[in-house]
Amino acid sequence: GENVEQHPSTLSVQEGDSAVIKCTYSDSASNYFPWYKQELGKRPQLIIDIRSNVGEKKDQRIAVTLNKTAKHFSLHITETQPEDSAVYFCAASAYFSGGYNKLIFGAGTRLAVHP
Amino acid sequence: DGGITQSPKYLFRKEGQNVTLSCEQNLNHDAMYWYRQDPGQGLRLIYYSQIVNDFQKGDIAEGYSVSREKKESFPLTVTSAQKNPTAFYLCASSIGPSAYNEQFFGPGTRLTVL
Repeated sequence: GENVEQHPSTLSVQEGDSAVIKCTYSDSASNYFPWYKQELGKRPQLIIDIRSNVGEKKDQRIAVTLNKTAKHFSLHITETQPEDSAVYFCAASAYFSGGYNKLIFGAGTRLAVHP
Repeated sequence: DGGITQSPKYLFRKEGQNVTLSCEQNLNHDAMYWYRQDPGQGLRLIYYSQIVNDFQKGDIAEGYSVSREKKESFPLTVTSAQKNPTAFYLCASSIGPSAYNEQFFGPGTRLTVL
């Protein structure tokens, strides 16, 4: 079945450094790739997404890149700050039988930014 | 904070009992979802509803049941047939059924089976 692998599972950086989280998906029909951030004790929230007709998208300090040939996409956070500390989930769109579509989530990356 | 609520926040159940988790949204969203979150496994889809009176099984539907009698409400029942029900359960909604629509999550319910 469809699968999304996410690496690393934990990531520790110093404030001001960059952080990169990578995901690989299995379904070649996937064409939408969102990233959700879940702070400790809070609900997941969408932070950025990308569609398959775009190779890169930026929003201030975060960016996402997509390589459809290799079936992988990455989240890049520059100039990290302590408030970036959270669990980050990648996801890829996939299809149910009957034509419905859904998201397949990666296992998550726990990012810790140390002052 | 998002207009989607879940109750209770914590729930304890004895083995063999069914329990129902509540999910309500006032965002006027058509689609609603239930996910299970376990450590190291991300979010796994249990059930999904595109519209009132319609729902589909997700990847791990065994031992769970849902109903969608009202647009605002999508309760999840964890039955005694669910072998390992202890987990964190998240409800979400989106404006439409497509995976391209942003999903808004509730605060979650932590279920513990004693």
